[in-house]
Amino acid sequence: QKEVEQNSGPLSVPEGAIASLNCTYSDRGSQSFFWYRQYSGKSPELIMSIYSNGDKEDGRFTAQLNKASQYVSLLIRDSQPSDSATYLCAVNSANNNDMRFGAGTRLTVKP
Amino acid sequence: DAGITQSPRHKVTETGTPVTLRCHQTENHRYMYWYRQDPGHGLRLIHYSYGVKDTDKGEVSDGYSVSRSKTEDFLLTLESATSSQTSVYFCAISDRDSRVYGYTFGSGTRLTVV
Repeated sequence: QKEVEQNSGPLSVPEGAIASLNCTYSDRGSQSFFWYRQYSGKSPELIMSIYSNGDKEDGRFTAQLNKASQYVSLLIRDSQPSDSATYLCAVNSANNNDMRFGAGTRLTVKP
Repeated sequence: DAGITQSPRHKVTETGTPVTLRCHQTENHRYMYWYRQDPGHGLRLIHYSYGVKDTDKGEVSDGYSVSRSKTEDFLLTLESATSSQTSVYFCAISDRDSRVYGYTFGSGTRLTVV
């Protein structure tokens, strides 16, 4: 079992719709959770972080965390073609100061 | 990219030759990391550093070594390159605890071993 799992996609949504990206993790000691966006041929960039159960909103992005279910999600409201990218889920545990990444979900937003 | 540069950006090398990739930062961040990214595997940690001359292995460290003689430079060396080391290599930096602040990535080095 991979430590951090994501549906590889591709996930395709129409412009203006809500895109929902999901991630599960295996280490119950995990404490910090991140979402990175990576455009094709570019490096990952941090877009959201979440540490407590519940929702965290930042503009059109909402991160959701459920530690009991070991589940993290990212919602993108009013999706735009510029949101088309691969989204990486990353998890940091209490025992390690390194981050474990999922393989990423490729999102396509169609005009 | 927030004061982090990787060199070279692209490299083609032959099997069996040593290769060194460089990561240079101007942010004075304590933590530096080397990852490789391959289709279907995502980003996997090779080595990391907590400070000058303080390094440790990640999950895919076999065949790689690192050195950090200055805060700003973190070098990754492939001792004898193999085709399985063809990949995109990313350096990342973190100020204080990455569990709180996450990483900033360099632009990456695309390495092809033929």
